[in-house]
Amino acid sequence: GAGVSQSPRYKVAKRGQDVALRCDPISGHVSLFWYQQALGQGPEFLTYFQNEAQLDKSGLPSDRFFAERPEGSVSTLKIQRTQQEDSAVYLCASRALSGVGGSYEQYFGPGTRLTVT
Amino acid sequence: KNQVEQSPQSLIILEGKNCTLQCNYTVSPFSNLRWYKQDTGRGPVSLTIMTFSENTKSNGRYTATLDADTKQSSLHITASQLSDSASYICVVSRLSNDYKLSFGAGTTVTVRA
Repeated sequence: GAGVSQSPRYKVAKRGQDVALRCDPISGHVSLFWYQQALGQGPEFLTYFQNEAQLDKSGLPSDRFFAERPEGSVSTLKIQRTQQEDSAVYLCASRALSGVGGSYEQYFGPGTRLTVT
Repeated sequence: KNQVEQSPQSLIILEGKNCTLQCNYTVSPFSNLRWYKQDTGRGPVSLTIMTFSENTKSNGRYTATLDADTKQSSLHITASQLSDSASYICVVSRLSNDYKLSFGAGTTVTVRA
């Protein structure tokens, strides 16, 4: 079936603008994750949803970052008043509820590259 | 401080040669360790996953090893191909909340003809 999709793939924003990044998880996947990946670095955890509930948002860097998943499927990551340090690739991943041996696999989308000028 | 350290940062190898990537971690208590391959402009794709009790796991020409006592892992690529050019990321999860993955910075592998 289809994998995780994200849109847009590239976004250029002027400093101070608001942006919204969309993630379509694999159909039926209960869990959804957002990550931020700076150039040359590994992804860093931002937030985690189980269905529509945001269970962990400890990785969101500031209150300018907001994520939602109102119907438990599609998710949107919103960044208000973007700053240059927000420039990064934003990855979304989804995971089924159950997995072999409890090691539930996360499947990643291609990411959205955000450039703030 | 990053809890997952990888070395080398990058390497270049000739097509057909082998290479080994290293990963050291301090995440504790440990749940499992994954190696991901990330092509440029793509999301990471899982290659192997190992739990505490596993010492080695293979996926085609990729073989991962784990020493949970020394908290070290390696990924060996055999008979490299041009398509192996990518970033290889070591990822560790904690037993208490295994959804929260700790990523290394990755090793960038370039395979040249």
